[in-house]
Amino acid sequence: GAVVSQHPSWVICKSGTSVKIECRSLDFQATTMFWYRQFPKQSLMLMATSNEGSKATYEQGVEKDKFLINHASLTLSTLTVTSAHPEDSSFYICSASRQENTEAFFGQGTRLTVV
Amino acid sequence: DAKTTQPTSMDCAEGRAANLPCNHSTISGNEYVYWYRQIHSQGPQYIIHGLKNNETNEMASLIITEDRKSSTLILPHATLRDTAVYYCIVRVKAVGGGKLIFGQGTELSVKP
Repeated sequence: GAVVSQHPSWVICKSGTSVKIECRSLDFQATTMFWYRQFPKQSLMLMATSNEGSKATYEQGVEKDKFLINHASLTLSTLTVTSAHPEDSSFYICSASRQENTEAFFGQGTRLTVV
Repeated sequence: DAKTTQPTSMDCAEGRAANLPCNHSTISGNEYVYWYRQIHSQGPQYIIHGLKNNETNEMASLIITEDRKSSTLILPHATLRDTAVYYCIVRVKAVGGGKLIFGQGTELSVKP
């Protein structure tokens, strides 16, 4: 299957600081990527759709000014959690697909802990 | 996208077949059934998808009932590494993947 990579795998940051998470499609180009968040013992929740060269589309209830998404190239999307607070601590996961396929491939996830 | 219903948890003996059911009684004619799984603290992994015919790949088989209102994912010889949460998702096929709406899934425990 296609390879999607996230970096970092885990990060600890102080309250009030910003954290950037990268999502890369390693062997294909992705015009669209998706960002999910997962709290312990819960399912994945879609946060936003990242579109190459245009603004991201956020799901209802997700603050676009807090979760900044940039999709500057066909192989890279970034999620920046701004002014992080302990309640933002979560597992963040991205996904992408080849244009000619319909199944999504996921990164390994980034565990964010805000202290 | 149609809603799916899955059992919360299931156990399976190592080496035996694991049969994971999914109900999707409101599925539309153009919606596919997708299966993903998530091993603890990892990103989800694509398993298989189908429309109305049964499908098989190197990981699993997908059996869809004739009325398409339910399906079963079959892992023919479960191993301990198959312990994971399995998600059944029904959605329209979209080039480029499309967004996925995850339900609660079935937590499969494969036991020695």
